[in-house]
Amino acid sequence: DIQMTQSPSTLSASVGDRVTVTCRASQNIGGWLAWYQQKPGKAPKLLIYKASTLESGVPSRFSGSGSGTEFTLTISSLQPDDFATYYCQRYNRYPYSFGQGTKLEIK
Amino acid sequence: QVQLQESGPGLVKPSETLSLTCTVSGGSVSSYYWTWIRQPPGKGLEWIGYIYYSGTTNYNPSLKSRVTISVDTSKNQFSLKLNSVTAADTAVYYCAGEIRGVYYGMDVWGQGTTVTVSS
Repeated sequence: DIQMTQSPSTLSASVGDRVTVTCRASQNIGGWLAWYQQKPGKAPKLLIYKASTLESGVPSRFSGSGSGTEFTLTISSLQPDDFATYYCQRYNRYPYSFGQGTKLEIK
Repeated sequence: QVQLQESGPGLVKPSETLSLTCTVSGGSVSSYYWTWIRQPPGKGLEWIGYIYYSGTTNYNPSLKSRVTISVDTSKNQFSLKLNSVTAADTAVYYCAGEIRGVYYGMDVWGQGTTVTVSS
């Protein structure tokens, strides 16, 4: 099976910072990658699909890039509402799988 | 808009079968792709499996021998059964849907339901 590895596992940052989360696939998955945001006690929320397409209603400070085996999620200027855990998920073929998550903490 | 709601027992005994249902409102279960995901306490997300209304399924290989996902179009629901549960199956279970199709990610989620496996 294709493994998804996120880095870092934890990221400490301040409001206004630019942050990047990386997701690597063990095999080529094309552009079939989604990013989700999860806050404590809540269901995940879709942020980005097809590696770089912003879901409707998601602020433009979020962006995604990459293809093949390496992908990034970037938040251009952190806002207080952005402190959460972020997951990548591949959906090139079944079975789908998630990265282990990146927890974005307030510095 | 499409909304999902999980339901089922919050406590299951070891070796028994976990059964959950996801009710679809604001849309038809016959139109989209449906998935179950779980999250053990303090851990990440695990994809369990998916079903299309036609009955086509695919399961996580690590759970495949114990999992069945089914759809009931008459009730506009889809369901998860996980047999021979152990404490390791304790988790929040989410149902989710790919409303726009399989190329756009899981864009609709239920709120999640906590299932504890304990005697």
